[in-house]
Amino acid sequence: DAGVIQSPRHEVTEMGQEVTLRCKPISGHDYLFWYRQTMMRGLELLIYFNNNVPIDDSGMPEDRFSAKMPNASFSTLKIQPSEPRDSAVYFCASSWVISTDTQYFGPGTRLTVL
Amino acid sequence: AQKITQTQPGMFVQEKEAVTLDCTYDTSDPSYGLFWYKQPSSGEMIFLIYQGSYDQQNATEGRYSLNFQKARKSANLVISASQLGDSAMYFCAMRPASGGSYIPTFGRGTSLIVHP
Repeated sequence: DAGVIQSPRHEVTEMGQEVTLRCKPISGHDYLFWYRQTMMRGLELLIYFNNNVPIDDSGMPEDRFSAKMPNASFSTLKIQPSEPRDSAVYFCASSWVISTDTQYFGPGTRLTVL
Repeated sequence: AQKITQTQPGMFVQEKEAVTLDCTYDTSDPSYGLFWYKQPSSGEMIFLIYQGSYDQQNATEGRYSLNFQKARKSANLVISASQLGDSAMYFCAMRPASGGSYIPTFGRGTSLIVHP
């Protein structure tokens, strides 16, 4: 089975533009997680879904960030409008059982906002 | 609140030697899982090993073993017979297994460099 798929792998955009990051979890996984990684703050959980329903979005930094999961095989993370401080690597991860199961990470999207 | 501490920002080891990467944690949850991930320079996060808080035996996966000392709240990763390809960032993480909040917490990572 293919692992977690993310697109694009790299994104360079200008401040103020809308950015959409995409994720396809591993088939059969019920949980999907969005993370952001920066040198300053390390790896932060932004939001996670269970069966396509957002469960905890307390890590979403502000209203400019939104995430959706319209079906079990697709999720998006949108930033509108983007700012330079949003520059980071964004990871998507998925797992079967949340409490003990391993999260499998996608390759990440490296976002640069100029 | 949970906290993961990795006190070694950087570690160096000779090829074929063993190395221990430290991880201590703090939590009030009675049940939790501990994880280690490897992040090579290419950027992906690779799962290495998992330990449940109620597991009696230390977890092992090939050359990786987790030295779990519950009383000391430590979950150190031991890599035996280091290889050049082990050079990477290593992250310790914890996730509660009860209480309804399953938010994982990651440490800041340890950079491991394996010398030939």
